[in-house]
Amino acid sequence: DQQVKQNSPSLSVQEGRISILNCDYTNSMFDYFLWYKKYPAEGPTFLISISSIKDKNEDGRFTVFLNKSAKHLSLHIVPSQPGDSAVYFCAARGLGSSNTGKLIFGQGTTLQVKP
Amino acid sequence: KAGVTQTPRYLIKTRGQQVTLSCSPISGHRSVSWYQQTPGQGLQFLFEYFSETQRNKGNFPGRFSGRQFSNSRSEMNVSTLELGDSALYLCASSSALSSGRDTQYFGPGTRLTVL
Repeated sequence: DQQVKQNSPSLSVQEGRISILNCDYTNSMFDYFLWYKKYPAEGPTFLISISSIKDKNEDGRFTVFLNKSAKHLSLHIVPSQPGDSAVYFCAARGLGSSNTGKLIFGQGTTLQVKP
Repeated sequence: KAGVTQTPRYLIKTRGQQVTLSCSPISGHRSVSWYQQTPGQGLQFLFEYFSETQRNKGNFPGRFSGRQFSNSRSEMNVSTLELGDSALYLCASSSALSSGRDTQYFGPGTRLTVL
């Protein structure tokens, strides 16, 4: 049973346009959500996070939106740049300090930004 | 601050052997988690160590084990290696805030190939 799902394996956008990556989850006990960017043979790099008490968080070109009732979150990248081309993972974590170290990941979405 | 470091970066073993991977967390981080990434299963949580104790465990067989030392450095061991253990093994550390709303930072990973 996959608790975190990224239904789009890939996404291609033009440089300068908006990239929207989506993520759905099934476990209502998830309390904290994170987005990571990953290149092959490297570790994931943290991008942005959001807690369940918020519905939006911004950091520069990156904005994450959370819709708790729909159990859906999305990552917006504006404007998209060729250097953003990578695999993006959505991850979720349960409530409380005892769950700090356990992230449940989606399968990833490969973003290609064309010059 | 230095990031999460993992050694070795690459490893080749044969079936039946055992292997030990090492992880040094970011200075001051007390939680260390391990993940396995394979093409078929994605990123899967193995276990988490906090204050030298295993706090969380994923759904992996007992051949996978770990430990954490008093300086928060962690090791992961896989015994009786199988071909399916070939993967990128990632270590992540966090400050383990009591709120549970903190970020895991990942190392570059150890690429294990089992022949």
